[in-house]
Amino acid sequence: GQQLNQSPQSMFIQEGEDVSMNCTSSSIFNTWLWYKQDPGEGPVLLIALYKAGELTSNGRLTAQFGITRKDSFLNISASIPSDVGIYFCAGQPRDDKIIFGKGTRLHILP
Amino acid sequence: DGGITQSPKYLFRKEGQNVTLSCEQNLNHDAMYWYRQDPGQGLRLIYYSQIVNDFQKGDIAEGYSVSREKKESFPLTVTSAQKNPTAFYLCASSRQGLAGADTQYFGPGTRLTVL
Repeated sequence: GQQLNQSPQSMFIQEGEDVSMNCTSSSIFNTWLWYKQDPGEGPVLLIALYKAGELTSNGRLTAQFGITRKDSFLNISASIPSDVGIYFCAGQPRDDKIIFGKGTRLHILP
Repeated sequence: DGGITQSPKYLFRKEGQNVTLSCEQNLNHDAMYWYRQDPGQGLRLIYYSQIVNDFQKGDIAEGYSVSREKKESFPLTVTSAQKNPTAFYLCASSRQGLAGADTQYFGPGTRLTVL
């Protein structure tokens, strides 16, 4: 079946640093989504991408839909303590179910 | 406010009992989904429904059952046949399911613990 490879699995950074994470697939996707999940809560949609090459920002977050349609990245600039959590990518192939990555767990060191 | 509600937030049951998790949405979405999340794991699809009175098995449907009698409601029953039911259960909905580029929105989740 189709799989998404999300990396890194976890990150330990200092407050104020920039963060970058990505997802790759062996298949072409029509949609890429990025979610953040706080402990004990449901994932919250951060950014949705619908077109190859699309670059979209949401505050300090920026995500891009790869030109090959097989990858996407999420950047967080100037990280703050509330950025801690698990970030999931998700991709939807044409006429099929959304597939989720296993998540990137972000830790911010004091 | 429009959104997805799941109740209860925490649920405890004895082994061998069936239990039903509630999911309601007022977003007028056609499609609804149930996922299971285990510690340190991603989301695994249990069941999904693209329209009222229709639903399909996901990747891990064994030991679970669903119904979709109303557009806004998609309850999940965890049966005694589910061998390892303790997990965090997430409900989601989307406007049109598989019909096109779509976005899923999640509820707050129900943590089920089987004693």
